[in-house]
Amino acid sequence: GEDVEQSLFLSVREGDSSVINCTYTDSSSTYLYWYKQEPGAGLQLLTYIFSNMDMKQDQRLTVLLNKKDKHLSLRIADTQTGDSAIYFCAEKGTGGGNKLTFGTGTQLKVEL
Amino acid sequence: GAVVSQHPSRVICKSGTSVKIECRSLDFQATTMFWYRQFPKKSLMLMATSNEGSKATYEQGVEKDKFLINHASLTLSTLTVTSAHPEDSSFYICSAVLAGGGETQYFGPGTRLLVL
Repeated sequence: GEDVEQSLFLSVREGDSSVINCTYTDSSSTYLYWYKQEPGAGLQLLTYIFSNMDMKQDQRLTVLLNKKDKHLSLRIADTQTGDSAIYFCAEKGTGGGNKLTFGTGTQLKVEL
Repeated sequence: GAVVSQHPSRVICKSGTSVKIECRSLDFQATTMFWYRQFPKKSLMLMATSNEGSKATYEQGVEKDKFLINHASLTLSTLTVTSAHPEDSSFYICSAVLAGGGETQYFGPGTRLLVL
């Protein structure tokens, strides 16, 4: 089945940029998503990218997609303490039903 | 827009009892809702896909008689954990997809279940 991998932990200083990486195996992915989860809460959709795009920017967030290498990244500019959370990438394949396969999650810690 | 709520947010129950968790799309209609389970510091595991007016589709390894799903309306899906046991303790999260072919899943805030 499909597999989505992320590094488990990232620590950055406030004001620096954060880059969270994700690799996936499903070459038929149509959409790729980034979700944020704060402690004890559900998932908040941050952004998504369609598979025929290379880059998408939304305020402080920049998503880069390398479809050849099946690599997705999320860059957060000017990282703030409020950005501390777990970030999940997820991919949607061409199978029916809008099913998503989630990555393992990256815990981002922002230090002062 | 696209707000999904879950009720209750936390529940503690005795072993052997049944617990119902509600998932509601507050400002949109959802023909499809998903139920996930998340263990501590782990990713989300899809349990089942809930379609309005039809039987849910369960993922491999998920007992449909244990986790009863009902999607009675375009804004409400319920998950009932029957005869709960301590190993059912987990964080249960639902998501909903906009009716009309939307691609994006909007997630609820989750329900923390603790079975004693």
